Amino acid sequence: AQKITQTQPGMFVQEKEAVTLDCTYDTSDQSYGLFWYKQPSSGEMIFLIYQGSYDEQNATEGRYSLNFQKARKSANLVISASQLGDSAMYFCAMRGPISGYSTLTFGKGTMLLVSP
Amino acid sequence: NAGVTQTPKFQVLKTGQSMTLQCAQDMNHNSMYWYRQDPGMGLRLIYYSASEGTTDKGEVPNGYNVSRLNKREFSLRLESAAPSQTSVYFCASSESPGVTSNQPQHFGDGTRLSIL
Repeated sequence: AQKITQTQPGMFVQEKEAVTLDCTYDTSDQSYGLFWYKQPSSGEMIFLIYQGSYDEQNATEGRYSLNFQKARKSANLVISASQLGDSAMYFCAMRGPISGYSTLTFGKGTMLLVSP
Repeated sequence: NAGVTQTPKFQVLKTGQSMTLQCAQDMNHNSMYWYRQDPGMGLRLIYYSASEGTTDKGEVPNGYNVSRLNKREFSLRLESAAPSQTSVYFCASSESPGVTSNQPQHFGDGTRLSIL
């Protein structure tokens, strides 16, 4: 079985500060992929960043980076220089061997609020 | 630049009524998915279609049926709606995933369904 755990129901950060959103995963397979999505209050799901289990470097996309610690099975999202528009729900998801790597398993999400 | 289009955006049903949620994608993706999102539960996979002509159950398939009408369209049917099916429903699509695929799933804007 594969499982994603996001232990922070909510996080608060001040504008321009960095914030880390936690994600741990559970899988017995060596091959998998990890994704982060953002869901603003308007409801759409926006893809942010991807990390493959064999990638040697941590993924980065603009202000987003993924702190990937394979031995600890964690894939934390780091947002640098937070902006008011970063206020949203954030979901970690994993593509693993279940269903032949066809599907994603999502965590329950972390609500991030950025204050001025 | 439509991406994934879901109809309707909102719907209210009475218990026992049936309805079909429509989803269409214009990205020539092979794989399509239906999720439901409930408060505090993240996104849970209902059904998916890895390629045209195939459909498979996800985590929460009971009470639903799907049809992959063609490569573009994937519909979700509630035969006899129940209050427990009140939720936000998302359709998504992706390139054919694989063990090393970094291709994300692209989501529609969701259908907010209330069953009284």
